Amino acid sequence: DAGVIQSPRHEVTEMGQEVTLRCKPISGHNSLFWYRQTMMRGLELLIYFNNNVPIDDSGMPEDRFSAKMPNASFSTLKIQPSEPRDSAVYFCASSRSPDTIYFGEGSWLTVV
Amino acid sequence: GEDVEQSLFLSVREGDSSVINCTYTDSSSTYLYWYKQEPGAGLQLLTYIFSNMDMKQDQRLTVLLNKKDKHLSLRIADTQTGDSAIYFCAESTSGTYKYIFGTGTRLKVLA
Repeated sequence: DAGVIQSPRHEVTEMGQEVTLRCKPISGHNSLFWYRQTMMRGLELLIYFNNNVPIDDSGMPEDRFSAKMPNASFSTLKIQPSEPRDSAVYFCASSRSPDTIYFGEGSWLTVV
Repeated sequence: GEDVEQSLFLSVREGDSSVINCTYTDSSSTYLYWYKQEPGAGLQLLTYIFSNMDMKQDQRLTVLLNKKDKHLSLRIADTQTGDSAIYFCAESTSGTYKYIFGTGTRLKVLA
């Protein structure tokens, strides 16, 4: 079975531009997570979806960040407008249950 | 709040055993995990242990859990250069989605 698929793998964008990160979870998984990883703060949970419904978005840094899950096989994380401090690795992860989650390879974002 | 702590660095010689340690604070933890992150890659689930177990062995990997002291360790036997990576400890409680990750331990294997 294919793992969690994320795109783009790498993105360099200018400050103020919109960034959209995409995720395809593992087929059959009903939970989806977006994490952000930085040297300073480690791994942070941004948002958690269960059965396509956002359950906990308390980790979303500010209104510039938004996430959607229109169906069971696709999710997006959007940053608009982007800022240099958003530079990080963004991971999507999925699970069939809350107990074991599987990560994608990450989207490496640089905002200049 | 809940916390998971790990030492930041560990250096071992190829062929030696590595032991990566982790402490956690949440007494209601049900599952404890070890993930491996290689450079430029995502987190790969290595193994996990239920909180009612003391030990789990999987080939070169041995996980030890001391629930009383809330201490988890990962032993890698016959460490190879390909084991060089960051190792994350994480805990979760059954029925919740909240994973608490440690800061990761960077393992460097010297040839």
